[in-house]
Amino acid sequence: NAGVTQTPKFQVLKTGQSMTLQCAQDMNHEYMSWYRQDPGMGLRLIHYSVGAGITDQGEVPNGYNVSRSTTEDFPLRLLSAAPSQTSVYFCASSTRDRRLDGYTFGSGTRLTVV
Amino acid sequence: GQNIDQPTEMTATEGAIVQINCTYQTSGFNGLFWYQQHAGEAPTFLSYNVLDGLEEKGRFSSFLSRSKGYSYLLLKELQMKDSASYLCAVREPPPNDYKLSFGAGTTVTVRA
Repeated sequence: NAGVTQTPKFQVLKTGQSMTLQCAQDMNHEYMSWYRQDPGMGLRLIHYSVGAGITDQGEVPNGYNVSRSTTEDFPLRLLSAAPSQTSVYFCASSTRDRRLDGYTFGSGTRLTVV
Repeated sequence: GQNIDQPTEMTATEGAIVQINCTYQTSGFNGLFWYQQHAGEAPTFLSYNVLDGLEEKGRFSSFLSRSKGYSYLLLKELQMKDSASYLCAVREPPPNDYKLSFGAGTTVTVRA
């Protein structure tokens, strides 16, 4: 099925561990982004990319890295996990004609840092 | 900067109508989205307004007033499956028109 695929769906990390959240889309979308969602705070933009080889920081980038080596993949790396990074993470993608349906979201990764 | 406000929670009865308001104060504006998000799931697209007025899609309608920085989502003939969080999101103007800023969401509970 076409769409945005995120893995893993659930993850528990110990403080200080590193890991990579995977995101892949098969819709040939130019734009991809990572959001985190916390209770009462809505979706906050972490990093985004407007095409392969191009990335930039969003609202809350500290503690996270991204890369975009292909159009399809946009992994999010946690360098040294902290309890404050406990959250639900969503990857989203979009075409240039964003008027039609805005973003397509992945199913999310629920991360707990202990 | 972006400041987008929505009520935190609303409760309504099955078959009734509920109106979810969204006010925004943003550094630029290029359209407003509404998304529905069921608990534990990803947001899904409901509507998009870029011009003033009402857009109707079946039981759901969305309204925009750019001069007032105001939008609402109207849910009619409420069903139990409409219990979800509803997110308002504002698109930035070019060249950053791929960016959306989200409100915190309104949790709607539909009771029998």
